[in-house]
Amino acid sequence: GDSVTQMEGPVTLSEEAFLTINCTYTATGYPSLFWYVQYPGEGLQLLLKATKADDKGSNKGFEATYRKETTSFHLEKGSVQVSDSAVYFCALRRAYQLIWGAGTKLIIKP
Amino acid sequence: SAVISQKPSRDICQRGTSLTIQCQVDSQVTMMFWYRQQPGQSLTLIATANQGSEATYESGFVIDKFPISRPNLTFSTLTVSNMSPEDSSIYLCSVESGANTGELFFGEGSRLTVL
Repeated sequence: GDSVTQMEGPVTLSEEAFLTINCTYTATGYPSLFWYVQYPGEGLQLLLKATKADDKGSNKGFEATYRKETTSFHLEKGSVQVSDSAVYFCALRRAYQLIWGAGTKLIIKP
Repeated sequence: SAVISQKPSRDICQRGTSLTIQCQVDSQVTMMFWYRQQPGQSLTLIATANQGSEATYESGFVIDKFPISRPNLTFSTLTVSNMSPEDSSIYLCSVESGANTGELFFGEGSRLTVL
């Protein structure tokens, strides 16, 4: 069945470093893909999405490109800040529901 | 956007008891989703609650264990029945921003610990 695989965390980086969080998926067809973020003490919120192949989603300096050839949707940011410390979830849409990755905890040190 | 309020935000419960979690949305929505997030794990959909009909449960979840009510378009409850330590989780209520968008709004969750 459909599934999402994320790189294991925690990922620890220094402020202003380049970030990549890997996400690959297995699915029938070309589902919409999402990144959600959960900041400490807050609820999950949508970070960005892409609905078709080669689409690039972007928000708050984060980007992810829908790559059907590699079935990937890696999250990137050029220069991270301490405030980006959070848990990041990759997900795909199947019918009426989302299939979620395990989440990757990101820790940014000043 | 939608603002979702859940309560309780956390609770410690005794084995064998039941607890009802409430979810209130600030706008009318067709579907409400209940998720479980076990410690260190991803989200798993428990059921989808539609107003005026029975909830639709995902594989591995049954109505006797997780009864759901959906009395109107802004409110739902999830009950965790006859709890055991394995039910210790965060339970999340969510709604979709628009039909078939996949863009979900979440409450802050209800963290249950079962002793």
